[in-house]
Amino acid sequence: AQSVTQLGSHVSVSEGALVLLRCNYSSSVPPYLFWYVQYPNQGLQLLLKYTSAATLVKGINGFEAEFKKSETSFHLTKPSAHMSDAAEYFCAVQDDYKLSFGAGTTVTVRA
Amino acid sequence: GAVVSQHPSRVICKSGTSVKIECRSLDFQATTMFWYRQFPKQSLMLMATSNEGSKATYEQGVEKDKFLINHASLTLSTLTVTSAHPEDSSFYICSARRGRDQPQHFGDGTRLSIL
Repeated sequence: AQSVTQLGSHVSVSEGALVLLRCNYSSSVPPYLFWYVQYPNQGLQLLLKYTSAATLVKGINGFEAEFKKSETSFHLTKPSAHMSDAAEYFCAVQDDYKLSFGAGTTVTVRA
Repeated sequence: GAVVSQHPSRVICKSGTSVKIECRSLDFQATTMFWYRQFPKQSLMLMATSNEGSKATYEQGVEKDKFLINHASLTLSTLTVTSAHPEDSSFYICSARRGRDQPQHFGDGTRLSIL
């Protein structure tokens, strides 16, 4: 079974600083990988997805992620954090027809 | 595009009541819909997968008779929590996708509180 591991359950950054959220995957075949964001009491919103077309994937709200096969990683970054980026972020891998989610990383942004 | 509407957003009811939650894909036809449960400060746990016109596939440990899923059309799936008890209180989220290689799009969730 394919799975993802998110390193760090909580990340705190200053407004304007780099946001880096780590995700490593375990897969025996080329994976489909996703990053989702969840705001309080809401569902998940797709930030970006990797489907083997390009290793650097650009998403919404200024986020991007790079697929590195040699490191089995799919880390999410944003050059400059905004207060509105405070949320829960989930990395996910598609295993057959289902999504398997990481444990999530809570991002707080300091003014 | 790809909007998923979930209703109601919040339900508070007495123990023993059955509660129905609706999940609709508003601007696309969803061949598959998924139901998740999320406990506070935790990730999403897949409960079941439903394909239009067929029986839902439940994950291990999920009671089929407790959580009834109906996927009668390509735009609507319902989850009914039968005879709900306080331990069923949780945040339930649905998602829908157009096809096998398409991303899932999520509803805004339903906060279920059983008194």
